[in-house]
Amino acid sequence: RKEVEQDPGPFNVPEGATVAFNCTYSNSASQSFFWYRQDCRKEPKLLMSVYSSGNEDGRFTAQLNRASQYISLLIRDSKLSDSATYLCVVNGATGANNLFFGTGTRLTVIP
Amino acid sequence: DTAVSQTPKYLVTQMGNDKSIKCEQNLGHDTMYWYKQDSKKFLKIMFSYNNKELIINETVPNRFSPKSPDKAHLNLHINSLELGDSAVYFCASSWPGGGYGYTFGSGTRLTVV
Repeated sequence: RKEVEQDPGPFNVPEGATVAFNCTYSNSASQSFFWYRQDCRKEPKLLMSVYSSGNEDGRFTAQLNRASQYISLLIRDSKLSDSATYLCVVNGATGANNLFFGTGTRLTVIP
Repeated sequence: DTAVSQTPKYLVTQMGNDKSIKCEQNLGHDTMYWYKQDSKKFLKIMFSYNNKELIINETVPNRFSPKSPDKAHLNLHINSLELGDSAVYFCASSWPGGGYGYTFGSGTRLTVV
């Protein structure tokens, strides 16, 4: 079983739409959770960390459900510039120097 | 200033050659990594160094040899390149434990012909 699984998409949504991505992780000992964004032919960049209580950064909201080992990312009022691949990322275990990346969910925002 | 810089950005070489990719970070991080992103876009860790000491060595062929002369540098040397080595190789750095996430370099696109 993969450490991190997410729906590869693609998601094609109109500007202004709300879109949600989900992922699940296999290691119940994982302590650090992130969403990264990767544009075509570029490096992954940290979008936001995901905290147990849920957290928001502008139009982006991240949620963590430890019991279900499930992470989500909600994007409100989608912009054309949000088009990218969104990677769900989880560390291996407490203190482990190893992040596991999901295969990513491709989002295209259409004018 | 670029936080994590890796060179070269593109590398095209023939099978059987030996090549190196260099990485440097100016963030003061203690931990550095090499990740490989294959044609299906899956990012997989290869190596991790903490303050010049190897701490993660995934099941990577021993043709791949990382070297960390100091905690700001992590280079990757590849011997006897094979077609299947074609991929994008990303260097990254972080604080120990990676709890604040990683910062990635811009990647080296390796094509073996």
